[in-house]
Amino acid sequence: DTAVSQTPKYLVTQMGNDKSIKCEQNLGHDTMYWYKQDSKKFLKIMFSYNNKELIINETVPNRFSPKSPDKAHLNLHINSLELGDSAVYFCASSQVEGYSSYNEQFFGPGTRLTVL
Amino acid sequence: AQSVAQPEDQVNVAEGNPLTVKCTYSVSGNPYLFWYVQYPNRGLQFLLKYITGDNLVKGSYGFEAEFNKSQTSFHLKKPSALVSDSALYFCAMRDSRSGGYQKVTFGIGTKLQVIP
Repeated sequence: DTAVSQTPKYLVTQMGNDKSIKCEQNLGHDTMYWYKQDSKKFLKIMFSYNNKELIINETVPNRFSPKSPDKAHLNLHINSLELGDSAVYFCASSQVEGYSSYNEQFFGPGTRLTVL
Repeated sequence: AQSVAQPEDQVNVAEGNPLTVKCTYSVSGNPYLFWYVQYPNRGLQFLLKYITGDNLVKGSYGFEAEFNKSQTSFHLKKPSALVSDSALYFCAMRDSRSGGYQKVTFGIGTKLQVIP
């Protein structure tokens, strides 16, 4: 049973296209995240949702739009794809449980996006 | 502003030897500290965390880490390295005062190469 799953695993597309990446977690966690890992393996948070509410929205182009239909799903839609969007995108989840939470995050396997 | 530094891009160690992967941090309050491991083409996996209490924390796969407040460090260690430990290791931190929903800051990662 996969705890955090992402689809697709690989995504190859042309510049200017619109694409979506889906994420689902079956851990019952209340918070989900999207991270971008670039070619140098640097990991940067993009968004975080808690119970379908946007909590973290880092400096990300507005071509990126997350959507959380329920607390088990967090999808990422990208409009007008650019070459610089090529990266590995990771979904993660954790149980935050309030202000003092220190729970670890569980990561999905990643989606490798290649923009040609 | 909080930050995490991993001063070594790569650490090479012979199989059977002890290994250390370094991490230092900067934060205004008290840190919650984490180590994650990323195997090739996989998502990050949680290894261990320091919240409070005993400075020596034990985690998965025989790894441990020592929290040193005076040196603001949280180095990852293992007494005897295995070839299968070869991977990318990330140190991460959250300020305990920042609230459970705030972002975790990741280091840039250290590639561990265990030589047979």
